[in-house]
Amino acid sequence: LAKTTQPISMDSYEGQEVNITCSHNNIATNDYITWYQQFPSQGPRFIIQGYKTKVTNEVASLFIPADRKSSTLSLPRVSLSDTAVYYCLVGDEAAGNKLTFGGGTRVLVKP
Amino acid sequence: DVKVTQSSRYLVKRTGEKVFLECVQDMDHENMFWYRQDPGLGLRLIYFSYDVKMKEKGDIPEGYSVSREKKERFSLILESASTNQTSMYLCASTPGGFSEQFFGPGTRLTVL
Repeated sequence: LAKTTQPISMDSYEGQEVNITCSHNNIATNDYITWYQQFPSQGPRFIIQGYKTKVTNEVASLFIPADRKSSTLSLPRVSLSDTAVYYCLVGDEAAGNKLTFGGGTRVLVKP
Repeated sequence: DVKVTQSSRYLVKRTGEKVFLECVQDMDHENMFWYRQDPGLGLRLIYFSYDVKMKEKGDIPEGYSVSREKKERFSLILESASTNQTSMYLCASTPGGFSEQFFGPGTRLTVL
């Protein structure tokens, strides 16, 4: 399983775009990149998954450069309710049963 | 929507007690997982199961056991609870592979 490194915390303000970068230098060819969001006293919730280039859904975008050694989760126009911990995970089909959640990035959105 | 439910949101037990945490999912998922979450340590995998009666150890299985007699139900058992097992316990399920994991609301267990 590729090890991931992400910032411990980030502060932002309502209406701003938040970008969280995750480093995964030893990502393997078959690995996908997945991001989860966790609110206090709740289980993590899947946000987005990608393999390369850019993926966008209704809540976020995921940017993956050509070398795939990092990825950036982009949250457009955040609101107070986006205050949460965000986790970056890397793995493939074979590793799917042994996901490792690191410490995540604690995002605080201020009014 | 996939629903993963856990038997209790909060639980208080005494040292040495046998503790059962139950998890049920309603989407016929193959794989089910038990994690514990502690401040500063993220989520750590305790056990997972990829089929009925099948189980594999995760990263921190010591002091725990599991049971999966039916596809929809995965139980975590603390044979003799200890204070260092005070934690938030999260159950998850997934259809398989590196696909989205669906988490339950968690059980906050306190062992006195």
